[in-house]
Amino acid sequence: EVQLVESGGGLVQPGGSLRLSCAASGFTFSSYWMHWVRQAPGKGLVWVSRINSDGSSTSYADSVKGRFTISRDNAKNTLYLQMNSLRAEDTAVYYCARGLCDIWGQGTMVTVSS
Amino acid sequence: DIQMTQSPSSLSASVGDRVTITCRASQSISSYLNWYQQKPGKAPKLLIYAASSLQSGVPSRFSGSGSGTDFTLTISSLQPEDFATYYCQQSYSTITFGQGTRLEIK
Repeated sequence: EVQLVESGGGLVQPGGSLRLSCAASGFTFSSYWMHWVRQAPGKGLVWVSRINSDGSSTSYADSVKGRFTISRDNAKNTLYLQMNSLRAEDTAVYYCARGLCDIWGQGTMVTVSS
Repeated sequence: DIQMTQSPSSLSASVGDRVTITCRASQSISSYLNWYQQKPGKAPKLLIYAASSLQSGVPSRFSGSGSGTDFTLTISSLQPEDFATYYCQQSYSTITFGQGTRLEIK
């Protein structure tokens, strides 16, 4: 079964850091670009970042540029999102998605609050 | 960045109705347009890709059309399980989503 499973979310204080993981299974992970998309409570979908298949190229939304870093380990079939200098407005469910965004994980909740 | 504008923002309809949701891009995106359905507490589900191609496993009552800047998602005969929020997404350049259309039961 093709599957993405996120983990690593939780409650963090403003200015803190968190690393999200997305474990892929059921497909050739190393062949696909991957994305992170977030959704604040009660709000719409917002693209956050993407990485190409071998990890050599990345792109970020302006709102997270310089604070978030996307990476991947193709040997472990895992995508990551390192989030630093977190702000209240980063509070959201974070989803990883494959390539065309045809496959999504179930999401992991990140809450930034004191 | 390319802006995506959906209309309407919300819509009330009845089972069996034909429903159309519109998405407009701020510049031409050719056919790089996808449609998603999202139910509360769940991840989005891809319905239509490349503006008009039906994703595998999606019922044929869903259809998409358009190219350039104007796109539509049509549900030919609403079923109870179709009440959800729908998003368009462009993948011509850095991905952006529309603001969503909430489809509610009348």
